[in-house]
Amino acid sequence: QQQVKQSPQSLIVQKGGISIINCAYENTAFDYFPWYQQFPGKGPALLIAIRPDVSEKKEGRFTISFNKSAKQFSLHIMDSQPGDSATYFCAASRNRGSTLGRLYFGRGTQLTVWP
Amino acid sequence: SQTIHQWPATLVQPVGSPLSLECTVEGTSNPNLYWYRQAAGRGLQLLFYSVGIGQISSEVPQNLSASRPQDRQFILSSKKLLLSDSGFYLCAWRGILDSSMNTEAFFGQGTRLTVV
Repeated sequence: QQQVKQSPQSLIVQKGGISIINCAYENTAFDYFPWYQQFPGKGPALLIAIRPDVSEKKEGRFTISFNKSAKQFSLHIMDSQPGDSATYFCAASRNRGSTLGRLYFGRGTQLTVWP
Repeated sequence: SQTIHQWPATLVQPVGSPLSLECTVEGTSNPNLYWYRQAAGRGLQLLFYSVGIGQISSEVPQNLSASRPQDRQFILSSKKLLLSDSGFYLCAWRGILDSSMNTEAFFGQGTRLTVV
């Protein structure tokens, strides 16, 4: 069973546009929601993360929006650049008191930003 | 600072041959360690995780096995590779980010395995 569902599978955006990737989860015990960015041939790297006590977190051009009641969260990339072209993964975890430290990943979104 | 090493970067192996991929972590003790596989165009599939020496949990029945002979060493193995074992294998460890106990998974650079 997919614990975290991510859409779309692929996304093409013009340079300067807004890229939006959505994720949904079922387990209300999740309390940590990171986004990872992966370039071809490399391992994923943490991009930005949010906890459910806030509805939005912004770091530069990257913003996470979080809707606890809907059990959804999304990544917004403002002023998208060709260098943002990568695969993006959302994830969820139950952090506090967790001894296993497992992250549940979405299936990924391949973002292409055209110049 | 913590670093994670994974090798080799690429590997081409014939069907039926054995496999050994090694991952080591520096700068931390008693880490949680993970092996993921990423098929082309697909997400991250958790294969194994370990919370300590000799402690291995398997997520999905596989033609693969894992071992943790030392605290900071995690090995992925197979006795006989199948074509379906081809993929991008990633080692990761879970670390604490801040005083609020938020954690992050740090990934190695991956091994591209092609079984021919």
